[in-house]
Amino acid sequence: QVQLVQSGAELKKPGASVKVSCRASGYTFTGYYMHWVRQAPGQGLEWMGQINPNSGETKYAQKFQGRVTLTRDTSISTAHMELTRLTSDDTAVYYCARDRIGDGLSWFDPWGQGTLVTVSS
Amino acid sequence: ETVLTQSPGTLSLSPGEGATLSCRASQSVSNSYLNWYQQKPGQPPRLLIYGTSSRATGIPDRFSGSGSGTDFTLTISRLEPEDFALYYCHQYGGSPPKHSFGQGTKLEIK
Repeated sequence: QVQLVQSGAELKKPGASVKVSCRASGYTFTGYYMHWVRQAPGQGLEWMGQINPNSGETKYAQKFQGRVTLTRDTSISTAHMELTRLTSDDTAVYYCARDRIGDGLSWFDPWGQGTLVTVSS
Repeated sequence: ETVLTQSPGTLSLSPGEGATLSCRASQSVSNSYLNWYQQKPGQPPRLLIYGTSSRATGIPDRFSGSGSGTDFTLTISRLEPEDFALYYCHQYGGSPPKHSFGQGTKLEIK
């Protein structure tokens, strides 16, 4: 079955960087976009950006431009999200989610289980 | 940027009742790009409705979506205990195109 499995929880200090991984299985990794969405404690969902695993092309939400980098390793069907210059406001659960490519439709399904990133001194 | 506003913020109903959740966009959204998700505590969101009105795989037919332009609705016809959760609408569009989510509606047991 289609599955996205993310790396484990992280505890980081302010100013540090974090890299979260998302390993895909059960489908052709290069055939679907991968998005990253975060959810701060008790808050809603916030889209961060997307990567086309086939071409490596990325698009980022303006809020995260210059601070987030999405990459992929097609040899192991894994997408990565790196966020730099962390502050306490970046404390959140980070999700990866699969999306369609190229047919004029877009929805996120499935989602990874989420990775809690805590930023604290 | 397209802003999605969901209402009400919290909806208190009893099992067996019907629920109507609203999602209003600040500018027109293509029907192809309006989706709904359900989220339960400690779980990732789950796709319920895509393209305004199509149910995702395994979603019961008591869930339905409708709407066009700037006004969209998620309807749950007969609430089951497992339906009490958070619901988010999601759209893709605008210029330049980007994804955005509503702030969520909490459906709670009355």
